[in-house]
Amino acid sequence: GENVEQHPSTLSVQEGDSAVIKCTYSDSASNYFPWYKQELGKRPQLIIDIRSNVGEKKDQRIAVTLNKTAKHFSLHITETQPEDSAVYFCAAGLPGGSGYALNFGKGTSLLVTP
Amino acid sequence: ETGVTQSPTHLIKTRGQQVTLRCSSQSGHNTVSWYQQALGQGPQFIFQYYREEENGRGNFPPRFSGLQFPNYSSELNVNALELDDSALYLCASRPSGTNTGELFFGEGSRLTVL
Repeated sequence: GENVEQHPSTLSVQEGDSAVIKCTYSDSASNYFPWYKQELGKRPQLIIDIRSNVGEKKDQRIAVTLNKTAKHFSLHITETQPEDSAVYFCAAGLPGGSGYALNFGKGTSLLVTP
Repeated sequence: ETGVTQSPTHLIKTRGQQVTLRCSSQSGHNTVSWYQQALGQGPQFIFQYYREEENGRGNFPPRFSGLQFPNYSSELNVNALELDDSALYLCASRPSGTNTGELFFGEGSRLTVL
């Protein structure tokens, strides 16, 4: 089955700096790669996603890049703010039925210090 | 607000008991999936239901079972509870008629098995 590895497990940056989180996946059939943000005690929420027919996608301060050949994808957050502090999960999705079953990484705990 | 609600929010069971967790998805969301999130880990896919039928399953034993009802609410049942079943159980739904892969998560049910 699909195996998603995520690094680093913890990341501490100063406010205004950039943060990068990297993930690799094993199943070349995966074609959907979302990133979820989970604040302490809250539900995971989608922040950005990318499909395998696209190499990069940006949404304001957040960007995701995908390298299908190498089977890795990354989340980039620029101009970080304290409210970006949370756990971030990458996932890889295989299409099936009416949607995607997602395989999540173990998460990256991001701390942005003022 | 996503509109996905779960109950109960917290519960404690003893080893060998059975538990039923419930999820009410937003109107128009006809696909529901369940995930298990152990402490400090990413969510793990248990199974997915579409139009009342299971159409995807992760690496979980048969003692994890589910139901989806005509109103698209859903249940997760776990028999013969084990200590390792202690986790946050997340329900997630997806709207029908769209091309999005986005999952809308509930707040979760935190199960403790003693």
